[in-house]
Amino acid sequence: NAGVTQTPKFRILKIGQSMTLQCTQDMNHNYMYWYRQDPGMGLKLIYYSVGAGITDKGEVPNGYNVSRSTTEDFPLRLELAAPSQTSVYFCASSYARVTHTGELFFGEGSRLTVL
Amino acid sequence: RKEVEQDPGPFNVPEGATVAFNCTYSNSASQSFFWYRQDCRKEPKLLMSVYSSGNEDGRFTAQLNRASQYISLLIRDSKLSDSATYLCVVNIGLYNNNDMRFGAGTRLTVKP
Repeated sequence: NAGVTQTPKFRILKIGQSMTLQCTQDMNHNYMYWYRQDPGMGLKLIYYSVGAGITDKGEVPNGYNVSRSTTEDFPLRLELAAPSQTSVYFCASSYARVTHTGELFFGEGSRLTVL
Repeated sequence: RKEVEQDPGPFNVPEGATVAFNCTYSNSASQSFFWYRQDCRKEPKLLMSVYSSGNEDGRFTAQLNRASQYISLLIRDSKLSDSATYLCVVNIGLYNNNDMRFGAGTRLTVKP
């Protein structure tokens, strides 16, 4: 029962470096999301996707890019890392719109530090 | 004003106590409401949905007051295993009818 798998779990980056956070789900969910969680703040939506080939911006997309070439995978790319991107990143998925069920399935998170 | 506001706590209660958490939201067009639980350094997980008529799941009771834009979670007979951060989540339906906004969470510690 893998669910949503994120890699890496921890990473330290230098300012200006780039990296990709990987996310894959094996539940055949159409919707996938990337959130970031900062101390004392609620999770903020970075990008989301409603299906392969379709992505769109969330609340805080600046400094990030995503792609969705398959149903299973939704990588998040950080270009030119900045200290403000130090955070815990969560990938999530849902079968469809969660208007009523509210159930997002989260990965275990990726802790990123930019120094 | 934050879109979803919660008392950050921490709430420290003894086992067996009843504890209540409150949450307010700013967008009156919000469509649906949830409580998530997040253990320390873990991912959030859905605890329960919140319905207008109020709903109960075992020791947990959730209430919604749309007029006051207020949500609550009541935990009865607290267990040590209830220690976690409780996140109030509101679907404001801004992005393609699927826009979940998270509160910062209320931390609960249940002590023996």
